[in-house]
Amino acid sequence: ILNVEQSPQSLHVQEGDSTNFTCSFPSSNFYALHWYRWETAKSPEALFVMTLNGDEKKKGRISATLNTKEGYSYLYIKGSQPEDSATYLCALHASGGSYIPTFGRGTSLIVHP
Amino acid sequence: ETGVTQSPTHLIKTRGQQVTLRCSSQSGHNTVSWYQQALGQGPQFIFQYYREEENGRGNFPPRFSGLQFPNYSSELNVNALELDDSALYLCASSLSEGAYEQYFGPGTRLTVT
Repeated sequence: ILNVEQSPQSLHVQEGDSTNFTCSFPSSNFYALHWYRWETAKSPEALFVMTLNGDEKKKGRISATLNTKEGYSYLYIKGSQPEDSATYLCALHASGGSYIPTFGRGTSLIVHP
Repeated sequence: ETGVTQSPTHLIKTRGQQVTLRCSSQSGHNTVSWYQQALGQGPQFIFQYYREEENGRGNFPPRFSGLQFPNYSSELNVNALELDDSALYLCASSLSEGAYEQYFGPGTRLTVT
């Protein structure tokens, strides 16, 4: 059983703050990592898929980095806005070509106006 | 392009009953995966259907079963409901069995009393 950990569990920030959170995974089992953004009562929405050590992906004010050697990925949000409030999930695809993702428990972000 | 839809949105059942949850996949997708998200946990893989056949299963008992139809929509059936089956059930569709990109529905919230 793969252990994918996300921290912190929840985060409250003020509008305009920049923030980041972590997804940790076993470095020996890495194939690909997904980040999802999940707003309440909506569908999880894919943000990034990351496959290579050192990958950096960016979408607007949100970016992510990947370190497969040490087994972590960071998600950064620059200048948080209330509409960024959501749960951010990471999901690991392990080596061996398994299509079955292992999800972390998510980080719940609340941005206060 | 129609996204992934799920029905019903919410459902309340009594312990011992049976339930059927439904999922319509995104247009052009032939693969559907089902996940259970219990409170405070990340989504857990239940099983995947590819071209109407079960194509992988997580650590769930046989009372969790599924179907996929020729139009690639899918059902999740749970027999002999237990209180611990209370959870959000997500389905996700993808272009093929090996595709890592998944598109999620908004989920069905099942409460077992």
